[in-house]
Amino acid sequence: EAEVAQSPRYKITEKSQAVAFWCDPISGHATLYWYRQILGQGPELLVQFQDESVVDDSQLPKDRFSAERLKGVDSTLKIQPAELGDSAMYLCASSGREDPYNEQFFGPGTRLTVL
Amino acid sequence: AQTVTQSQPEMSVQEAETVTLSCTYDTSENNYYLFWYKQPPSRQMILVIRQEAYKQQNATENRFSVNFQKAAKSFSLKISDSQLGDTAMYFCAFKLHNAGNMLTFGGGTRLMVKP
Repeated sequence: EAEVAQSPRYKITEKSQAVAFWCDPISGHATLYWYRQILGQGPELLVQFQDESVVDDSQLPKDRFSAERLKGVDSTLKIQPAELGDSAMYLCASSGREDPYNEQFFGPGTRLTVL
Repeated sequence: AQTVTQSQPEMSVQEAETVTLSCTYDTSENNYYLFWYKQPPSRQMILVIRQEAYKQQNATENRFSVNFQKAAKSFSLKISDSQLGDTAMYFCAFKLHNAGNMLTFGGGTRLMVKP
């Protein structure tokens, strides 16, 4: 069964360091999403891609966060420099064009701890 | 902007019993979708059930059913014959129809099924 892959699963870093997360969506899915989930809360959308283009990054803190999906397949989310408040689970999801409901399939997430 | 509220941070139920999780939302739009997602411990989020706002009939998926009250903006999830594997965080989510694909999540309810 096709799944969304994410790596690493866990990342511990010190504040002011740079971190990067990787996501490989389900093959053929045109839309890719990055969410941030603070412990005990629901996920919040950071950025949404349609193929290689950003369609919504209104909630992305652009002074320190960046995201790219250069070939319209896999994607990288970067934080530089990391701050204590960035500790959270970072979820990636994807959805396909052919689904009228655009059901989003989630990856296992990357749990980031900033010390 | 749309908001989703889950007023029960934690709930527990005995195995084989029935439990209902509450969700309310706020929107001025008429066409939208509502979802319940399940996030088991250390596993990825999966879709449990969805409801189109234009459908009056409540959605059902095996042991999972919803009570959709559009006028009251309420969307509760009923789990019948609870199983140990139902232990998870449950998130209610909202998506506008034909307005991008952004999901707005509630804060979640932690459900514990006890043997």
